[in-house]
Amino acid sequence: AQSVTQPDIHITVSEGASLELRCNYSYGATPYLFWYVQSPGQGLQLLLKYFSGDTLVQGIKGFEAEFKRSQSSFNLRKPSVHWSDAAEYFCAAYSGNTPLVFGKGTRLSVIA
Amino acid sequence: EPEVTQTPSHQVTQMGQEVILRCVPISNHLYFYWYRQILGQKVEFLVSFYNNEISEKSEIFDDQFSVERPDGSNFTLKIRSTKLEDSAMYFCASGQGDKETQYFGPGTRLLVL
Repeated sequence: AQSVTQPDIHITVSEGASLELRCNYSYGATPYLFWYVQSPGQGLQLLLKYFSGDTLVQGIKGFEAEFKRSQSSFNLRKPSVHWSDAAEYFCAAYSGNTPLVFGKGTRLSVIA
Repeated sequence: EPEVTQTPSHQVTQMGQEVILRCVPISNHLYFYWYRQILGQKVEFLVSFYNNEISEKSEIFDDQFSVERPDGSNFTLKIRSTKLEDSAMYFCASGQGDKETQYFGPGTRLLVL
């Protein structure tokens, strides 16, 4: 069955440090891939998406993600984290005949 | 920028009661979705809706659940007889086309006592 895995439940980084959140998918063919962010008490905001083409995609708030077919991965990165980036991050995917499937999420804490 | 809205933001209900969760999708979107997120768990797909009918539903979406688009703007999720395990955050989403990007509302936190 199709699945999305986020291996890290919780990550803590210092403000100004770089960030990488991992996401792996298990699909027969390359799915459409997304990263969403959920701030406390808020809904899910789309950060970026990958459908095809350039494997490095840019999103909002200075985030980017790189699709690597060989590793079935779509990791989210940010070169310098701000305290306001503290939130829950969800990777999600769907293929042509399945609904959107989410990973379990990674909670990001930012310390001074 | 247009966004999906949901009401109420929080709802507390007694077990066995009916609840209706409301959503206003983005106006030019044609596909509508409901998801739920039980506390501490992943976001799960419930149902998708297009052209005034359900296009896809998950195993979670049993006979206790129904969806409706009663007018040109609202999209509702009804739980006929709530159970304790229905306590969750319910998200509405909409998209312009099938398998296009889905935009999510802020959610309704439902607590069943």
